[in-house]
Amino acid sequence: EVQLVESGGGLVQPGRSLKLSCAASGFTFSNYYMAWVRQAPKKGLEWVATISTSGSRTYYPDSVKGRFTISRDNAKSSLYLQMNSLKSEDTATYYCARHPRYFDFWGPGTMVTVSS
Amino acid sequence: DIQMTQSPASLSASLGETVTIECRASEDIYNGLAWYQQKPGKSPQLLIYNANSLHTGVPSRFSGSGSGTQYSLKINSLQSEDVASYFCQQYYNYPLTFGSGTKLEIK
Repeated sequence: EVQLVESGGGLVQPGRSLKLSCAASGFTFSNYYMAWVRQAPKKGLEWVATISTSGSRTYYPDSVKGRFTISRDNAKSSLYLQMNSLKSEDTATYYCARHPRYFDFWGPGTMVTVSS
Repeated sequence: DIQMTQSPASLSASLGETVTIECRASEDIYNGLAWYQQKPGKSPQLLIYNANSLHTGVPSRFSGSGSGTQYSLKINSLQSEDVASYFCQQYYNYPLTFGSGTKLEIK
């Protein structure tokens, strides 16, 4: 059974940093692209980042490019999202998702609140 | 960027009815479209990919169709457990983009 479990969310002040983690199990992690998708409270879904199987290629929307960094450790079956220079508009639930072009499995999410 | 316009924003239907949700892309996305269901307080779940392929374990009352810029999700014989928000998403090109969602309620 595919399982994805995010951690690392919490309350952080604007301008500060936070690193999210996602532990994967139930599939061969190194064979899949992975992604982060977020959802602001009572809002829609926004794709945040994608990483290739080896980690050599990464993709971001303009809204987070230069501030967020996606990475992975295939030996640990883990995905990460380093978030710097956080803004209030980054407040959202962040989901880790397996990403064979679409998002076929999602974790339960971790909440990030950016507020002073 | 490819814009995804989803309609309607909300929908109310009776048990057993058939409902249809539409999604229009701002350019041809060559069937690179997925549909997701998100129940209240839960993470999204994949229903349909490649515009018309049913994801593993999804009931056959869900179906997807369309091509080019116009796509739709149909739910036959509406059940109480189908109360949820539904989102379309294009993966033809980066940046990946979602529709704004459709909230489905039971009358």
